[in-house]
Amino acid sequence: GQNIDQPTEMTATEGAIVQINCTYQTSGFNGLFWYQQHAGEAPTFLSYNVLDGLEEKGRFSSFLSRSKGYSYLLLKELQMKDSASYLCAVLDSNYQLIWGAGTKLIIKP
Amino acid sequence: GAVVSQHPSRVICKSGTSVKIECRSLDFQATTMFWYRQFPKQSLMLMATSNEGSKATYEQGVEKDKFLINHASLTLSTLTVTSAHPEDSSFYICSARYRDYEQYFGPGTRLTVT
Repeated sequence: GQNIDQPTEMTATEGAIVQINCTYQTSGFNGLFWYQQHAGEAPTFLSYNVLDGLEEKGRFSSFLSRSKGYSYLLLKELQMKDSASYLCAVLDSNYQLIWGAGTKLIIKP
Repeated sequence: GAVVSQHPSRVICKSGTSVKIECRSLDFQATTMFWYRQFPKQSLMLMATSNEGSKATYEQGVEKDKFLINHASLTLSTLTVTSAHPEDSSFYICSARYRDYEQYFGPGTRLTVT
């Protein structure tokens, strides 16, 4: 079956760095997405990786290793507004998005 | 760019009535739109994939006669919850496919059935 694993919850301190991991086992791979979702709101697009390596976008970076079925989202200089759930999703061979359950990130002052 | 709107944002209806939710891509054409449902503290659940001009493809376990989807144009898809019941209360979110399989989400509709 298809499976995406990410931690349920993480806690970090304002100003610090946090890494949210995602491992996947899917039927085919056409890219991996990270989305941010604040409570009561719809997800917003953060990043898309289809090739191995690190993609940097401001305070957020996303890394992919296809051979390991692994990705991480790195958040630097954490701000209180970064408190949200972070969803990992993989586009499978049928171009369907397979969603992880999300990681709730709690930022403490 | 890539803005998706959804209307209404909140709706309260009585049990047995029907509710229509609209999803629009404002600045791009979307041949494919998706409808999701999300219960509190749970992940997104894909309900159906909507392709312009053809019938929607429903996920297993989703009743197509209860959740009617119409994708009449390249910028509009609608979801109608027919004969709504309290267990249909949820957060309904649409998304539209935008280049290279990126999905952009609407702001969601919170449905409460009393």
